[in-house]
Amino acid sequence: GESVGLHLPTLSVQEGDNSIINCAYSNSASDYFIWYKQESGKGPQFIIDIRSNMDKRQGQRVTVLLNKTVKHLSLQIAATQPGDSAVYFCAENGHGNNRLAFGKGNQVVVIP
Amino acid sequence: GAGVSQTPSNKVTEKGKYVELRCDPISGHTALYWYRQSLGQGPEFLIYFQGTGAADDSGLPNDRFFAVRPEGSVSTLKIQRTERGDSAVYLCASSNGPQETQYFGPGTRLLVL
Repeated sequence: GESVGLHLPTLSVQEGDNSIINCAYSNSASDYFIWYKQESGKGPQFIIDIRSNMDKRQGQRVTVLLNKTVKHLSLQIAATQPGDSAVYFCAENGHGNNRLAFGKGNQVVVIP
Repeated sequence: GAGVSQTPSNKVTEKGKYVELRCDPISGHTALYWYRQSLGQGPEFLIYFQGTGAADDSGLPNDRFFAVRPEGSVSTLKIQRTERGDSAVYLCASSNGPQETQYFGPGTRLLVL
C-alpha cells in the first residue's frame, strides 16, 4: 500500500519463513535497479542489483525479479532471520543518468 | 576495506548559521553522490561528481546549497543560512564509475533549531 509520512508499509514475517517485498517503478527508461536495506540510524546498505537485460538474479538468500512489462521489481529473502529486520528500498537508475530514484520504503519485521 | 565515511555524524545548528558536511568516499571511487533523506522517506538526489567536477547538480534545492570536491576524493556539502526545513539526514555515496553500484556512508544527521 501507499506510505504516508512515517507510516511505511510493513511486512511482519515469522523467522525462517520467506519474505517478498514489492516495488513499482515509474520510469520505463530505467535500466538498472538496486535493492538497499536500511537499519535504524544507518545508511542504506547494498543488497543486490539487476540490469534491464535480465529478469532474475540471485544472491545469498536473496533473489531479485524484474518485470519490465508492468514495471515491477521484487525482492525475495529466503529463511528470514532477525537480522533482516529493516526498511528496504528499491532504487532505479535511468540510462545515461547517474542519480538513483528511490521508491517508498517497506518495513520488514521478523518475529522470532 | 574501508567504506564511505561521513563527518560529523550529528550536527545541531541554529537557523541562519552555515554548516559544512564532509564525505570520504571509498578509495579509488571516481564518482561521488550526495542525497538527503527526511524521516520516513527514501533518499533524494542532490548532486553527483565525476572526478572533481559536478556532473549533475540538478537536485540541489536552492542556491544556499553548494558542494565541492577539489581533488577528486573528499567532498564537502555546504549549506548557507540554514533553515529548519534543512533538517534531515545527509547521505553520501560513491561508486567505481558512473552507473556502477553506489555504496552509502552512515550519513550526517543535521538538526536546525
